[in-house]
Amino acid sequence: QVQLQESGPGLVKPSETLSLMCTVSSGSIKNYYWSWIRQTAGKGLEWIGRIYSSGDTNYNPSLKSRVTMSVDTSKNQFSVKLTSVTAADTAVYYCAREDNGLFLDYWGQGILVTVSS
Amino acid sequence: QSVLTQPPSVSAASGQKVTISCSGSSSNIGSNYVSWYRQLPGTAPKLLIYENNKRPSGVPDRFSGSGSDTSATLDITGLQTGDEADYYCGTWDSSLTARVFGGGTKLTVL
Repeated sequence: QVQLQESGPGLVKPSETLSLMCTVSSGSIKNYYWSWIRQTAGKGLEWIGRIYSSGDTNYNPSLKSRVTMSVDTSKNQFSVKLTSVTAADTAVYYCAREDNGLFLDYWGQGILVTVSS
Repeated sequence: QSVLTQPPSVSAASGQKVTISCSGSSSNIGSNYVSWYRQLPGTAPKLLIYENNKRPSGVPDRFSGSGSDTSATLDITGLQTGDEADYYCGTWDSSLTARVFGGGTKLTVL
């Protein structure tokens, strides 16, 4: 059973960069797409973007100017950076695996990131 | 404003059937597979249906999905109190080159 675990700071100051990592265990990171999704309090899911194990990326057009994703296949990890954060970026951030680029079959437990000074 | 449209809430009595709709356009549902996710309070979403109508191992056959043109539906029969959750549809949007979700539907079992 593939497991994903998000890690990173739970508090980020406004205008700074949010950085999160997702560690994949009990499975290889190779030959899959890996996504980041966020959910603000009481709201729905917002897809941030995805990265293939080769490094190819797709980003949400509304966040594209502020998002960068990377992957480290040697460590079975992938990460996301979101620059110039504001309070609107406060959310629970999930990492997930995309099976064949079609659906999200494994999800991390999520990590709450609060943007506040 | 979500790209896919779902009713904010649905309700039905225990043991009954409920249908959750998901409406999109030709660039998303009309040309890509739909998946459904269930999110219990305080937990991460979990895959419920993939490729329009397939169930992952462990998901009971009370849950079924279907699709037509630019819309999809999730049917849940034999409702149980444990089915109370938020349900999301999702798919790929070929025009946006992005994954999109519905706004979510809160299911209440009466």
